[in-house]
Amino acid sequence: DAKTTQPTSMDCAEGRAANLPCNHSTISGNEYVYWYRQIHSQGPQYIIHGLKNNETNEMASLIITEDRKSSTLILPHATLRDTAVYYCIVRVNTNAGKSTFGDGTTLTVKP
Amino acid sequence: GAVVSQHPSWVICKSGTSVKIECRSLDFQATTMFWYRQFPKQSLMLMATSNEGSKATYEQGVEKDKFLINHASLTLSTLTVTSAHPEDSSFYICSASFPAHGEKLFFGSGTQLSVL
Repeated sequence: DAKTTQPTSMDCAEGRAANLPCNHSTISGNEYVYWYRQIHSQGPQYIIHGLKNNETNEMASLIITEDRKSSTLILPHATLRDTAVYYCIVRVNTNAGKSTFGDGTTLTVKP
Repeated sequence: GAVVSQHPSWVICKSGTSVKIECRSLDFQATTMFWYRQFPKQSLMLMATSNEGSKATYEQGVEKDKFLINHASLTLSTLTVTSAHPEDSSFYICSASFPAHGEKLFFGSGTQLSVL
């Protein structure tokens, strides 16, 4: 699976959009971009995933660049409960359990 | 969405004792479940893949005789930490994926193990 690079930490004001970047310059054509988050002392939670088109669901939007070498997770209106570690994972769409969790980005939403 | 239930949420035990952690899939049958370990301020590390009706597949460096995995049914996988020592203290998390939900992983709430 391709490696990813994320900033260690980010802050965001409550109610504003949180934009979390992820670099995956070695991504292969059949690899998807997945995002999970982990709130302190809980199991991770799936957020969204995509291959090359931008995706949106009730939690977030995922913007993937045309060359697919980077992506951005957007939380449109961050709340205090969105404070968590956000993991960007790139992998083929089989054997989900082999997902490699890097260090992620610690997002702190401030009032 | 699919729900994965993990128990207990936390456990404290004496050194040398064994601890069993249960992971259940509540909505769907899971032929495969995954077990992770997470030390403080570190990321998740895959320990093993639990396969229903067959032996688990362990990642390199994980002692299979110390971390016993049983996946006797399509809804239950258990991880037993045998002869636990303080260095086994960690946050243990299980997960599963379900064909009806593509290749998304659904995680349990985790078990904090503290070995005294």
